[in-house]
Amino acid sequence: EMQLVESGGGLAQPGGSLRLSCAASGFTFSNNWMHWVRQAPGEGLEWVSRITTDGGDTTYADSVRGRFTISRDNAKNTLYLQMHSLRAEDTAVYYCARDHLFASGRSAFDVWGQGTMVTVSS
Amino acid sequence: EIVLTQSPGTLSLSPGESATLSCRASQSISTNSLGWYQQKPGQAPRLLIYGASSRTTGIPDRFSGSGSGTDFTLTINRLEPEDFAVYYCQQYGNSPRFGPGTKVDMK
Repeated sequence: EMQLVESGGGLAQPGGSLRLSCAASGFTFSNNWMHWVRQAPGEGLEWVSRITTDGGDTTYADSVRGRFTISRDNAKNTLYLQMHSLRAEDTAVYYCARDHLFASGRSAFDVWGQGTMVTVSS
Repeated sequence: EIVLTQSPGTLSLSPGESATLSCRASQSISTNSLGWYQQKPGQAPRLLIYGASSRTTGIPDRFSGSGSGTDFTLTINRLEPEDFAVYYCQQYGNSPRFGPGTKVDMK
């Protein structure tokens, strides 16, 4: 069974840092691009960041660029999100998601973790 | 920057009825890039439809997607109790975008 399990969430102070992890199992992790998506309480989904299979290319939403860093360790089947300079508006459930390339060039996020809650508050 | 708009915001229906959910993009997008996700309270999103019209493995055939260009539709025929949830469309691109969601709740 393909599975993603996030960890590392918790309470952080404004301006503080946290590192989220996402452990993958049940599929060949190194074959897939990966994403982080977040959801503020009572709000919709917001894409945060993407990383290619070897980690050589990363993309960020404008709201986190320069503060967050996505990375991966394919030997450990783990995705990371290092978050610095946290703000109250970063408070959300953070999901990792697998990027899957279907036939005919169609892509979507086909496997999701259960999410980890990040609260930024003093 | 592509903006996705979903309508209606909330759809109140009874089990057995059909739901038609709309997703409109601010500019034309590839059908290959349009997906639909279902999210129930306290759960992670689940991929229903990719490439605008292809159902993911295990998704019942009462769910169907259609559309092209800027207008896309998710149709749910004969709503089952487990279908009451929030539905998001997504444009997959260099910076993926989600629509604001449509809540399908029970009348």
